[in-house]
Amino acid sequence: SQTIHQWPATLVQPVGSPLSLECTVEGTSNPNLYWYRQAAGRGLQLLFYSVGIGQISSEVPQNLSASRPQDRQFILSSKKLLLSDSGFYLCAWSKGPLQPQHFGDGTRLSIL
Amino acid sequence: EDQVTQSPEALRLQEGESSSLNCSYTVSGLRGLFWYRQDPGKGPEFLFTLYSAGEEKEKERLKATLTKKESFLHITAPKPEDSATYLCAVQAAQTGANNLFFGTGTRLTVIP
Repeated sequence: SQTIHQWPATLVQPVGSPLSLECTVEGTSNPNLYWYRQAAGRGLQLLFYSVGIGQISSEVPQNLSASRPQDRQFILSSKKLLLSDSGFYLCAWSKGPLQPQHFGDGTRLSIL
Repeated sequence: EDQVTQSPEALRLQEGESSSLNCSYTVSGLRGLFWYRQDPGKGPEFLFTLYSAGEEKEKERLKATLTKKESFLHITAPKPEDSATYLCAVQAAQTGANNLFFGTGTRLTVIP
């Protein structure tokens, strides 16, 4: 069966520091991969998605970037964090477009 | 503008008291509607996909239905373990096959 792993579960970072969140999927090949942010009282917002190695689509202009260095690895990064980057970050995978997306357990990011 | 609205925001039920959650949507060219369950501090867990009006899906005490403007998640004889936030999301032709547009959820509490 397929599993998705995200780490760390929680992270506290100072403003202006860099960020790297990692997500890996097991048990499937060539998945579509997604990064979402969930803010309190708001729906999940798609940040990036990838349909293959090195292919990244950005949905929202922001202070973040994403990379997919391997088939089942998706990384969310920032060079300098802003207070507004705080939130709950979720990685997801799917077998393809129009297929259900399956989520990891998220990273709670707090910026001080 | 594409919108997904869930109601009520919060719902408290006695154990065994059946009810329904609503997800209304205004999107151009619905391709799929997805229901998820989210426990506190966790990522959403996939429940159902509905693709066309009139379609129904069931799983244990949950039943999802779809019309041209809304979806209902019916909960029959709920138990305390059904307490969670229920999210619906849509994929629409204009927003792309990889973009799930989420509502803000209904927080369900089932009291023993």
